[in-house]
Amino acid sequence: KQEVTQIPAALSVPEGENLVLNCSFTDSAIYNLQWFRQDPGKGLTSLLLIQSSQREQTSGRLNASLDKSSGRSTLYIAASQPGDSATYLCAAIMDSNYQLIWGAGTKLIIKP
Amino acid sequence: DAGVTQSPTHLIKTRGQQVTLRCSPKSGHDTVSWYQQALGQGPQFIFQYYEEEERQRGNFPDRFSGHQFPNYSSELNVNALLLGDSALYLCASRLWGTGGAGELFFGEGSRLTVL
Repeated sequence: KQEVTQIPAALSVPEGENLVLNCSFTDSAIYNLQWFRQDPGKGLTSLLLIQSSQREQTSGRLNASLDKSSGRSTLYIAASQPGDSATYLCAAIMDSNYQLIWGAGTKLIIKP
Repeated sequence: DAGVTQSPTHLIKTRGQQVTLRCSPKSGHDTVSWYQQALGQGPQFIFQYYEEEERQRGNFPDRFSGHQFPNYSSELNVNALLLGDSALYLCASRLWGTGGAGELFFGEGSRLTVL
């Protein structure tokens, strides 16, 4: 059974720092992995989708990597800003039918 | 480009009542899935619809049912509401057949409170 874990559960850093959020999964036979952002009480915004054949994806200040063999994905945020404060969730996509297994998220606070 | 839209945004019901939530997928998408998200937790998959049929279902009781219309919009119905059904209900859409290449897009959710 696939399990997805995100560590840490919460993180508070000063503005301007570079930071890394971690996502680990127990079953390496994932199809893809997707990172999302969620603001309080809001829906999910897709950040990056990494297909199983890829090792990383970049969008602006965000970079996500995927290492299936070690069961890990990381989301790197460069030059953090207060507007980056949100909960970040990763989801392992198990098959082409988009069965997603979710982590519980990392709540990120960027202090001005 | 219209994204995923959900209605209502908030609603309050009492135990035993029934509720219907609605979702319109992102323009160009034909597949809709529903998720339940309790406070502080990741979303839990309820079911997925394509071509007006339920294609996959998560571990939810039969009190949770759905429908997809010819225009790809969808409804989630929950009968005999329990206090534990209080959650944010999220709708997501994608394009069937893209396999893993297609991103999943979410709406803002419907916040259901059961008293």
